[in-house]
Amino acid sequence: KAGVTQTPRYLIKTRGQQVTLSCSPISGHRSVSWYQQTPGQGLQFLFEYFSETQRNKGNFPGRFSGRQFSNSRSEMNVSTLELGDSALYLCASSLAPQGANEKLFFGSGTQLSVL
Amino acid sequence: EDKVVQSPLSLVVHEGDTVTLNCSYEVTNFRSLLWYKQEKKAPTFLFMLTSSGIEKKSGRLSSILDKKELSSILNITATQTGDSAIYLCAVLRNSGNTPLVFGKGTRLSVIA
Repeated sequence: KAGVTQTPRYLIKTRGQQVTLSCSPISGHRSVSWYQQTPGQGLQFLFEYFSETQRNKGNFPGRFSGRQFSNSRSEMNVSTLELGDSALYLCASSLAPQGANEKLFFGSGTQLSVL
Repeated sequence: EDKVVQSPLSLVVHEGDTVTLNCSYEVTNFRSLLWYKQEKKAPTFLFMLTSSGIEKKSGRLSSILDKKELSSILNITATQTGDSAIYLCAVLRNSGNTPLVFGKGTRLSVIA
């Protein structure tokens, strides 16, 4: 079956703009998590959605938001982009919420560059 | 503050060498420890460890958890150029705002 699909693969934006990233989980998976990966900080947790409800949120400013639709697809939005938002944004899906000891399946990410 | 520390941060070895990657953690409500391999973009799952002292093995890769020492190692024997990747260690917690805490990874380069 198809893996986790993220679109777009690459994105270039300028400071102050906003961006929306999309993630389609593996069929049947209801949990979607988002991570930001930078060379200096590694993978940092943004938020997790399960059955359209945000379950957990990491330590990111309110400019970072997300949502999940009834078909489990998820979007994340970053408003008022800053240079420091340049990163690889990874989406991961699992059958059950993360706390249920489920392994995550990752997408190939969206590489965001903010100029 | 919960943290996962991996060492070394980077490593260069020759084909055929054996490598050991380390992961130590200070995390509340520990549930399990996971290893992932990230070759290009998408991390792929390697192992999940929940019980101390039980080795998980897959081909030339193996991993073991030491709950007393709050650490895990990932061994790769007879390395190949295809093993070149970033290896990520993550700890899953029973509760908390951040269920899965990742280390910064070890970048392994295997040269012919």
